[in-house]
Amino acid sequence: QQQVKQSPQSLIVQKGGIPIINCAYENTAFDYFPWYQQFPGKGPALLIAIRPDVSEKKEGRFTISFNKSAKQFSLHIMDSQPGDSATYFCAASSTLGGSNYKLTFGKGTLLTVNP
Amino acid sequence: DVKVTQSSRYLVKRTGEKVFLECVQDMDHENMFWYRQDPGLGLRLIYFSYDVKMKEKGDIPEGYSVSREKKERFSLILESASTNQTSMYLCASSLLGQGFDQPQHFGDGTRLSIL
Repeated sequence: QQQVKQSPQSLIVQKGGIPIINCAYENTAFDYFPWYQQFPGKGPALLIAIRPDVSEKKEGRFTISFNKSAKQFSLHIMDSQPGDSATYFCAASSTLGGSNYKLTFGKGTLLTVNP
Repeated sequence: DVKVTQSSRYLVKRTGEKVFLECVQDMDHENMFWYRQDPGLGLRLIYFSYDVKMKEKGDIPEGYSVSREKKERFSLILESASTNQTSMYLCASSLLGQGFDQPQHFGDGTRLSIL
């Protein structure tokens, strides 16, 4: 079964710190890697996404780093704020073939940013 | 903004009951998905549909069925509810295909308890 392994399961940082969440995948056909953010009581929402033809993508304080040879990607949150406290999910899919809309999710990381 | 609406936020049912979870999206999306979310297990795909009356099994379809009679509506059916189906259920929708312009948009979930 296709898997995306996410770590750590939970993470606590102080305001201004740089939390890093890591994901690893096995299926070399994956070519789309989004991160979703979920606040309590809400559904997940797309935060940022990357394709493997680039090694890094930044959107505001959020950065994805991608290492194709290692089959790993990670999310960095610069200058983290208490409002970033949420559960973060990495995901992956293959845009080739008929099932190009199926996402495989990691198990999630609960991030707490203390004031 | 895309809106995915799940009919109930909380639902309590008894074992053996037939349970219907309803989801409606307002953006004419072709794809619709049902996930369950459990602590430590992340999001697991139950079923998805890429067109009216079309459906495909996800990773954990056992004990569930789905119905999509209209493009905007996707129903999840628990044929005979069991306690191990107590969970948070999330509905999502997306445009056909998967990519930067076609993220999955989630509803806020239905927390289902089976007693």
